[in-house]
Amino acid sequence: DAGVIQSPRHEVTEMGQEVTLRCKPISGHNSLFWYRQTMMRGLELLIYFNNNVPIDDSGMPEDRFSAKMPNASFSTLKIQPSEPRDSAVYFCASSLSGLDEQFFGPGTRLTVL
Amino acid sequence: DQQVKQNSPSLSVQEGRISILNCDYTNSMFDYFLWYKKYPAEGPTFLISISSIKDKNEDGRFTVFLNKSAKHLSLHIVPSQPGDSAVYFCAANSGGSNYKLTFGKGTLLTVNP
Repeated sequence: DAGVIQSPRHEVTEMGQEVTLRCKPISGHNSLFWYRQTMMRGLELLIYFNNNVPIDDSGMPEDRFSAKMPNASFSTLKIQPSEPRDSAVYFCASSLSGLDEQFFGPGTRLTVL
Repeated sequence: DQQVKQNSPSLSVQEGRISILNCDYTNSMFDYFLWYKKYPAEGPTFLISISSIKDKNEDGRFTVFLNKSAKHLSLHIVPSQPGDSAVYFCAANSGGSNYKLTFGKGTLLTVNP
């Protein structure tokens, strides 16, 4: 019984490069969340999808960040261009509905040099 | 402006003793509270929750206490075990149709054998 799958687990890139993080939610879950964890700000919600539709993207830090969910089993978070301050651990989580328990993936550790 | 605060970055206890992790919140609209546990290189996993209509919720060795007037909650682990060593996150939600969890920065618990 696979949980939330994220790839890559680690990403090291240079400033200015495009970065794409991927997430496969648990089958049957209708809600998907992207979070970012930093030492300074802790764990913050970036964007929330329900039934593949973005409901709340108020946590997306700036226009360099974009997220898509083309179908129920796949989502991407893209940063273009990346900057050193984007270095963080990015988590994807899914739940049956927005109000149910959220199951987190293992995270992607992003380092922007 | 942290709405959920975990003022102790770390806590160390002996195996078999009680661990008490604390969390304070400032938003009076929060009425549902959760604790998540996180091991290194893994995503957070749900541990226990409490609704504002209760002041205590127990699940095995884990008990969460809520003091609404003080805007304070605590997680008690009795007895503590080495496998409990992890980062513990407090999270809050304003309930109803609100899906958004606001997390504290976490407390690293170390249980020494």
